[in-house]
Amino acid sequence: EAGVVQSPRYKIIEKKQPVAFWCNPISGHNTLYWYLQNLGQGPELLIRYENEEAVDDSQLPKDRFSAERLKGVDSTLKIQPAELGDSAVYLCASSPGSGGYNEQFFGPGTRLTVL
Amino acid sequence: GQNIDQPTEMTATEGAIVQINCTYQTSGFNGLFWYQQHAGEAPTFLSYNVLDGLEEKGRFSSFLSRSKGYSYLLLKELQMKDSASYLCAVREENYGGSQGNLIFGKGTKLSVKP
Repeated sequence: EAGVVQSPRYKIIEKKQPVAFWCNPISGHNTLYWYLQNLGQGPELLIRYENEEAVDDSQLPKDRFSAERLKGVDSTLKIQPAELGDSAVYLCASSPGSGGYNEQFFGPGTRLTVL
Repeated sequence: GQNIDQPTEMTATEGAIVQINCTYQTSGFNGLFWYQQHAGEAPTFLSYNVLDGLEEKGRFSSFLSRSKGYSYLLLKELQMKDSASYLCAVREENYGGSQGNLIFGKGTKLSVKP
């Protein structure tokens, strides 16, 4: 069974440019997460989807970040415009559900460098 | 507030046993996870505790004390490939929009030496 797929794996852009990340979760997983991970830190939740609904976007900087999961499967995270401080690894994770034991499966991440 | 504390770095010798501690203060509690993350790779699931006590899975064991807000991950018969970061994560209590969210610690970087 394929794991969580993310693309691109690496992205280098100049500040003020837009950037988008794509995630394909494990088949059948209703819950999808986007995390941000800085070097030497743990993942920090940006947004959580239950099917196509964003049920928790309280940590998403909405002035420049947006996300969508139109058909409740793939998801896209966008930053416009990017700032130097956005350089980090963006991780996507999925799980069958959101409570209790439900283990989150992580993708390999997209490493963003903003110059 | 929410706070999860782990040591930043640890070093151990191949073949030895190492214990990585995690203390937490969170808004409710609905389980604790340990993840392993090799440099440049995705976190992978190691263990889950929701009740007090010890869960054993091969060379890895995880312990939880909810009254003390404390967990540890025990790695036995260390191998070089165990060099990685170990992330402690607490699942918040199910309520409102935060249902099921994981709060991660900063991770403990373990170096296993020959």
